Amino acid sequence: AQTVTQSQPEMSVQEAETVTLSCTYDTSESNYYLFWYKQPPSRQMILVIRQEAYKQQNATENRFSVNFQKAAKSFSLKISDSQLGDTAMYFCAFMSDNAGNMLTFGGGTRLMVKP
Amino acid sequence: ETGVTQSPTHLIKTRGQQVTLRCSSQSGHNTVSWYQQALGQGPQFIFQYYREEENGRGNFPPRFSGLQFPNYSSELNVNALELDDSALYLCASSLQGMNQPQHFGDGTRLSIL
Repeated sequence: AQTVTQSQPEMSVQEAETVTLSCTYDTSESNYYLFWYKQPPSRQMILVIRQEAYKQQNATENRFSVNFQKAAKSFSLKISDSQLGDTAMYFCAFMSDNAGNMLTFGGGTRLMVKP
Repeated sequence: ETGVTQSPTHLIKTRGQQVTLRCSSQSGHNTVSWYQQALGQGPQFIFQYYREEENGRGNFPPRFSGLQFPNYSSELNVNALELDDSALYLCASSLQGMNQPQHFGDGTRLSIL
């Protein structure tokens, strides 16, 4: 079974600064997918960024980028130029290549962007 | 494009009762997954439906059951409710297949008294 661990329950950052959220995972699979989801107080889970394990290049989506270290089983999220609207819970998630579309989530990191 | 919609938004039940939660998948999506999110925790996978059949199940007891209809909408049924069933229940729809992004609804907040 896969496990996903987010070691930072809460983080804060000043508006316009950069913050990095950590995620580690444990799996024996060789092919899988990793995701970061954002959950604002509105409750809807929104996909921020995703990474295929077979791709060495780190994924980037505008102000969001990841640092994927496959050997270390680490998948951190960097948010640049933080905005007030980035305030939310952030969840790291894992999807195996042979388990359908099932997502395994970490416990989440609460991010507060301060003005 | 219509997104994933869930009903009801909030629900209050008492121990021992039964509840049905509903989910309409995003247009064109044929797979529906259900997740339970306890307060302050990450979502946990309950089960997934594809072509009206259960297509994977997490570590949840049989009193958690579901259905998928020909229009791909889905229901989550929970019998003999327990206090620990209090949670946000999230529905996600997608196309079947790997690397298909899951689109989530706003969830149903279930409170058990």
